[in-house]
Amino acid sequence: GAVVSQHPSWVICKSGTSVKIECRSLDFQATTMFWYRQFPKQSLMLMATSNEGSKATYEQGVEKDKFLINHASLTLSTLTVTSAHPEDSSFYICSAREYQTSSFSDEQFFGPGTRLTVL
Amino acid sequence: GESVGLHLPTLSVQEGDNSIINCAYSNSASDYFIWYKQESGKGPQFIIDIRSNMDKRQGQRVTVLLNKTVKHLSLQIAATQPGDSAVYFCAENPFSGAGSYQLTFGKGTKLSVIP
Repeated sequence: GAVVSQHPSWVICKSGTSVKIECRSLDFQATTMFWYRQFPKQSLMLMATSNEGSKATYEQGVEKDKFLINHASLTLSTLTVTSAHPEDSSFYICSAREYQTSSFSDEQFFGPGTRLTVL
Repeated sequence: GESVGLHLPTLSVQEGDNSIINCAYSNSASDYFIWYKQESGKGPQFIIDIRSNMDKRQGQRVTVLLNKTVKHLSLQIAATQPGDSAVYFCAENPFSGAGSYQLTFGKGTKLSVIP
């Protein structure tokens, strides 16, 4: 199946600093990429949807100035957590979607996640 | 807003037995459903999917059943193995084709397999 990578896999930073997380589709071109946040023992919550070359669409309650998303190419999307605070500590997961008109599936392929800890 | 939920938050089964994980969805417009498996510290892994014009789909050791009448989805795992221990999420996509491709995830069920 299609592979999505994330970098870094984990990061620890000081409060007030910014952190960038990369999401790459390794063997396919992703028409759309998604960013999720997952707190311990909870489900995945969609933060934003991004299409290559256009502005991301953020879910209600997600601050677009705090969570900057750049989808510069069909294989790379980045999420930057600006001025991170301890409450931003979470597991951030990206997914990528490759739509195939002839395929049954319309699935999203998920990255391995990035554990962010803000001290 | 509408959401996808689960009946059982935890499920313990004996190795070799069959497992059934249930999911209730509330968005009647949803026409594509996916089951994901998530192991600790990892991203979700695709298991099986189904479209609303089907009521059953089988994979290797897994079967997904869809009952649109009562908006219920289930995942059956045959001959459950220790490696099946994980959290299982159902997800729905209310739109297909051009348009929104967002997934709404259920709360998750933790499956523990007893050796």
